[in-house]
Amino acid sequence: AQSVTQLDSHVSVSEGTPVLLRCNYSSSYSPSLFWYVQHPNKGLQLLLKYTSAATLVKGINGFEAEFKKSETSFHLTKPSAHMSDAAEYFCVVSGATNKLIFGTGTLLAVQP
Amino acid sequence: DTAVSQTPKYLVTQMGNDKSIKCEQNLGHDTMYWYKQDSKKFLKIMFSYNNKELIINETVPNRFSPKSPDKAHLNLHINSLELGDSAVYFCASTQWRDRGSHTQYFGPGTRLTVL
Repeated sequence: AQSVTQLDSHVSVSEGTPVLLRCNYSSSYSPSLFWYVQHPNKGLQLLLKYTSAATLVKGINGFEAEFKKSETSFHLTKPSAHMSDAAEYFCVVSGATNKLIFGTGTLLAVQP
Repeated sequence: DTAVSQTPKYLVTQMGNDKSIKCEQNLGHDTMYWYKQDSKKFLKIMFSYNNKELIINETVPNRFSPKSPDKAHLNLHINSLELGDSAVYFCASTQWRDRGSHTQYFGPGTRLTVL
């Protein structure tokens, strides 16, 4: 069965400092992995996705993630946080029967 | 020109009532989904329709009945509402040929509160 584990429920950074949101996955086959963002009282927006092409994936708003099979990880990073990055971030894996399986989310707070 | 829209945005109702949530997408997609997000922000798929045919039906009480009148619409009807049904319900859509990459487009959500 496929699953994802987001290692931090809350991450707080200062504006202008790097962001690291950690995600480990479990999959019995080569997975498709995604990061979605949810701003307060908003819907979900796709940040980036990995589908067995390049292992370093670039997304919107300066975010990127690296697929590391040896570590079963798909961590999300950004070199410099902006106040507008404050949101809930979900790591997602595609499961059997083509459904998305969400992690429990990481709430990113950005301090001025 | 909203891609995936849901109505209503907020729904407050009493236990035991029956209510419906509507979803429409104008992306030309043929596959639509309903997800439930609980109070701890955990998101889980409930149903999926492809070309008006049910393809995913998770372990959801049969008080929940999805209906897809056409490819652009997927409605969710809930009978005999219970307190535990309080959640945010998200609709999403994708094109079946893209399902391997699963770029699903989500609606803004419907916050259901059962009193």
